Amino acid sequence: EIVLTQSPGTMSLSPGGRAILTCRASQFVSSSYLAWYQQKPGQPPRLVIYGASSRATGIPDRFSGSGSGTDFTLIIDRLEPEDFAMYYCQQYADSIRTFGQGTKLEIK
Amino acid sequence: QVQLEQWGARLWKPSETGSLTCGVSDGSFSGYYWTWIRQSPDKGLEWIGEINQSGKSNYNPSLKSRATISTDTSKNQLSLRLASVTAADRGVYFCARGVVRGVPVSAFWGQGALVTVSS
Repeated sequence: EIVLTQSPGTMSLSPGGRAILTCRASQFVSSSYLAWYQQKPGQPPRLVIYGASSRATGIPDRFSGSGSGTDFTLIIDRLEPEDFAMYYCQQYADSIRTFGQGTKLEIK
Repeated sequence: QVQLEQWGARLWKPSETGSLTCGVSDGSFSGYYWTWIRQSPDKGLEWIGEINQSGKSNYNPSLKSRATISTDTSKNQLSLRLASVTAADRGVYFCARGVVRGVPVSAFWGQGALVTVSS
C-alpha cells in the first residue's frame, strides 16, 4: 500500500497569501495518478485536482497542482476566505487507493 | 449537477451486518467508478472499496473481506454491506461517483451517513 504523507499538518496564512501544500508518496505514483480534495466541516470532500495537475470542474485557476513520481504539490494563490479548509491528497495509481492525513489551512 | 443521495440504517449492532445505499437521480450511473469512503477522527479518510463500469469490485484489504459493494443499474443505486461490524467501524460513510467514465477519482459525493455501532 502506498502511504501518503502531507506537510505541513497545519498552515496559517492570511487572505491574499499563497499556500504551498505537499504530498509525498512512499512509492512511485505512476501516471501522476494523484488527486487533491478540499473539505470543510460538515461537508463531503470536494475534488480540486486530479491527474496531479488537472483542475476539476468549477475550481478557480488560483488552484494549481504539480509533481510526479513521489512528490506532489498543491499551490493556492491569492487566498480567498473560502479556501481555508482541510486538504487531502489521494493516490489512485495503486489498486488500493489511499489518502494522506490532511493539511489544515487556517486563517492567520 | 450530479446529486447523490444516501440512505440506510445509521445505527449498526456489533457483530451484525450493516448496510447503506446510494442513488443518483440524473441517470448518470453507468460507465463510472463508484466508491465508498469513510471518515473518522482516528483514521481520517479511509477508502473502503470501489466498483468499476464492468462490475468488478476492489476492496481495502484492511477490512479483511468484510465489505461487499454492489450496484443495481436498473435503479441507479450503489450499495455497501459491511459484515461483523465493531465499534471501530463507526464514522461518516460517503458514496462517490467518478469524475469521468473510467477514472477512479471521486468527483461527486453523497452527503455522508454518520454510522454508530452500538447494541
